Amino acid sequence: DAGVTQSPTHLIKTRGQQVTLRCSPISGHKSVSWYQQVLGQGPQFIFQYYEKEERGRGNFPDRFSARQFPNYSSELNVNALLLGDSALYLCASSLAIREKLFFGSGTQLSVL
Amino acid sequence: EDKVVQSPLSLVVHEGDTVTLNCSYEVTNFRSLLWYKQEKKAPTFLFMLTSSGIEKKSGRLSSILDKKELSSILNITATQTGDSAIYLCAVERAGANNLFFGTGTRLTVIP
Repeated sequence: DAGVTQSPTHLIKTRGQQVTLRCSPISGHKSVSWYQQVLGQGPQFIFQYYEKEERGRGNFPDRFSARQFPNYSSELNVNALLLGDSALYLCASSLAIREKLFFGSGTQLSVL
Repeated sequence: EDKVVQSPLSLVVHEGDTVTLNCSYEVTNFRSLLWYKQEKKAPTFLFMLTSSGIEKKSGRLSSILDKKELSSILNITATQTGDSAIYLCAVERAGANNLFFGTGTRLTVIP
């Protein structure tokens, strides 16, 4: 069985640009969560979606948005990129909310 | 403010050594504590602890929670080079839909 897949694996953007990151959950998983991991830090929660509805939001500015599609895949969008947005963006899926998380390998975003 | 603190931040040991990683937390409405191993990118689940004093064990790895001391330890015996990774501790709060992670402990096992 395929695990959580994320695309792209690496991305380089410049300040002010917009970026879209994609995540496909494990088959049968209905919840997707997004985490940001800055170098040297632990992952920090951004969003959780379940059955296409937002079920949780971390302390991130409105430049960050996400959505979940009918097939349970998800996109994370970040507008007006800042240098500080450079990080590893991890997607995790679970059967439902508050179930064990399975993480993907992440998208490494570099903002120059 | 919720807080999860891991120590040490980094550790270098020789193969065969035993290591103990520490995690302490201050969160409201504690539900569970989880340990993850992050080798390259994707954190992989190790243990979930909800009850105090009950040891979870998987091979050479074991973990225990002390709810009175608001802490947990992760033990690795007879370490191997494949144990080299960042070990992340995370806490889940009741009623919340997310995990709150510590900064991790970077373990390096040298032959």
